[in-house]
Amino acid sequence: QVQLEESGPGLVKPSETLSLTCSVSGGSVSSGTYCWSWIRQSPGKGLEWIGFSYYSGGTNYNPSLMSRVTISVDTSKNRFSLKLTSVTAADTAVYYCAREGGHRYGLDVWGQGTTVTVSS
Amino acid sequence: IQLTQSPSSLSASVGDRVTITCRASQGISISLTWYQQKPGKAPKLLIYGASTLESGVPPRFSGSGSGTDFTLTIAGLQPEDFATYYCQQLESYPRTFGQGTKLEIK
Repeated sequence: QVQLEESGPGLVKPSETLSLTCSVSGGSVSSGTYCWSWIRQSPGKGLEWIGFSYYSGGTNYNPSLMSRVTISVDTSKNRFSLKLTSVTAADTAVYYCAREGGHRYGLDVWGQGTTVTVSS
Repeated sequence: IQLTQSPSSLSASVGDRVTITCRASQGISISLTWYQQKPGKAPKLLIYGASTLESGVPPRFSGSGSGTDFTLTIAGLQPEDFATYYCQQLESYPRTFGQGTKLEIK
């Protein structure tokens, strides 16, 4: 079965760029039917959808983050990535990568999550 | 699209039947999913398409609704069901989640 695993720095300085990678195993990121997604959860808070990318490169982002976020898919390494620029303490959260099967199917596979703290 | 879950928290006992409601600010057909999240863990998909049970999810979980009003029902609570539940709409962008319902043991 498909498994996802996030990786990246757990500590990022304010104003710098947060970069995370989600490695896909047990399946191919090149499947045309899935949206490779990022979701975050601030401490003690609910879930916030960041956005997704298709393997073809098409993307959709949350307008609240659109000016700072880039999600991309690397088919050669079977993984996808998140970049969030100009971070502040408000970006401190657990970041999850997930697979969305489309508007009828939801986020059916999730990574375990990785904690990112923004602090100097 | 805003999703409003009620209640925000709920106390119940093992064996109880509980219902959680999710209301959308505009119609979303059946493009609604439910997730269960336990502390320190990623959310787990329970129901998609408003009422279809994800593979491997116990049949005591059920979902219903369409348009703007949806419910998640757990019939016969088990100890492992005490968690936080979220709804999510996938009808339009940005995808949005409800604020969550924390189900606690009475």
